[in-house]
Amino acid sequence: RKEVEQDPGPFNVPEGATVAFNCTYSNSASQSFFWYRQDCRKEPKLLMSVYSSGNEDGRFTAQLNRASQYISLLIRDSKLSDSATYLCVVKPQSNTGKLIFGQGTTLQVKP
Amino acid sequence: SAVISQKPSRDICQRGTSLTIQCQVDSQVTMMFWYRQQPGQSLTLIATANQGSEATYESGFVIDKFPISRPNLTFSTLTVSNMSPEDSSIYLCSVLGQSSNYGYTFGSGTRLTVV
Repeated sequence: RKEVEQDPGPFNVPEGATVAFNCTYSNSASQSFFWYRQDCRKEPKLLMSVYSSGNEDGRFTAQLNRASQYISLLIRDSKLSDSATYLCVVKPQSNTGKLIFGQGTTLQVKP
Repeated sequence: SAVISQKPSRDICQRGTSLTIQCQVDSQVTMMFWYRQQPGQSLTLIATANQGSEATYESGFVIDKFPISRPNLTFSTLTVSNMSPEDSSIYLCSVLGQSSNYGYTFGSGTRLTVV
């Protein structure tokens, strides 16, 4: 079983749609959680950290369920510019700085 | 967040040769890492670059193949040694700053093709 699992998609949605991505992780002791965005042929960039209480940044909402070892990202009112690969990232230990990346979920927003 | 300059951005190399990739950060950072992203895959951690001591390698990666240097808190190099076509990949450095609040920043990557 992979340490971080995501549905690779692709998710093809029309502009204005709401889309949700899910991610599961295997290490119950994992410390920190993130969503990164990676555009084609570019480096990953931090989209948002994921907190236990859930957090929102504009059109983006992240949720964490530690009991189910499950992370989600909700994008509302999708824009063409949201088209990218979204990487679920887990930091399993607090003292190493190591990150574990999911394989990514590809989103294509169409006009 | 930290600004990273990674060089070269791309290279095409002959098998059997070696390539050294440089990562320069504009501020002192706590931790530096080297990742590999193979075509169509996600990122895999190669090693943590430790300042003034040997790097800490992940399972499947060894120092002889991927020697790493980190002489100070703002600079690191990764060498891909004795290259084969299987080493064709994107190599990225990543840093965690003095404050972890802004997360991890990645360099723009080095796209390596071995022929």
